[in-house]
Amino acid sequence: AQSVAQPEDQVNVAEGNPLTVKCTYSVSGNPYLFWYVQYPNRGLQFLLKYITGDNLVKGSYGFEAEFNKSQTSFHLKKPSALVSDSALYFCAVRGVYGNNRLAFGKGNQVVVIP
Amino acid sequence: DTEVTQTPKHLVMGMTNKKSLKCEQHMGHRAMYWYKQKAKKPPELMFVYSYEKLSINESVPSRFSPECPNSSLLNLHLHALQPEDSALYLCASGLSPLHFGNGTRLTVT
Repeated sequence: AQSVAQPEDQVNVAEGNPLTVKCTYSVSGNPYLFWYVQYPNRGLQFLLKYITGDNLVKGSYGFEAEFNKSQTSFHLKKPSALVSDSALYFCAVRGVYGNNRLAFGKGNQVVVIP
Repeated sequence: DTEVTQTPKHLVMGMTNKKSLKCEQHMGHRAMYWYKQKAKKPPELMFVYSYEKLSINESVPSRFSPECPNSSLLNLHLHALQPEDSALYLCASGLSPLHFGNGTRLTVT
């Protein structure tokens, strides 16, 4: 079975400071890893993914994530947070041998303080 | 703007009503999904259609009935729902990654 842990419920960060949202995963075989963001009253919006290749993945809106196989982590980062980054962030994993099931973490509420 | 279109955006229905949620995508994706999401929680998978055939049913109660008329359309028929079924219902398509619609906010009274 595949699973994702997002250990923090809420991440507070001052505008202009670096933002990190943590994610660790468990899956059989190689992982397909994803980050999604959800703004109020909207669906989930894809930010970035790791399938294979470079461990540092760059995505939309200045976000990036680093795949660390030994630590089974895929933390989301942004060098300088904006107030508009305040949203709910989900990490998700799917095994390469898996079916169409995507395992989501519980989500992290990010609050960027002006 | 999302490439997966869901209608209606909001729906209020009584427990004896019959209604349908609709989803449309034109990205050529052969997998389509229904998810249920409660506030501040992750989406919960309900159904998966692959090549227009139901491939996954996550033990969803029969008061929810999915339908895939063609490769671009996905419906969710609702009948005799309970108040606890009130939630945001999300449609998605694709695989890696999934593309989500903005959902239908369903309230069961």
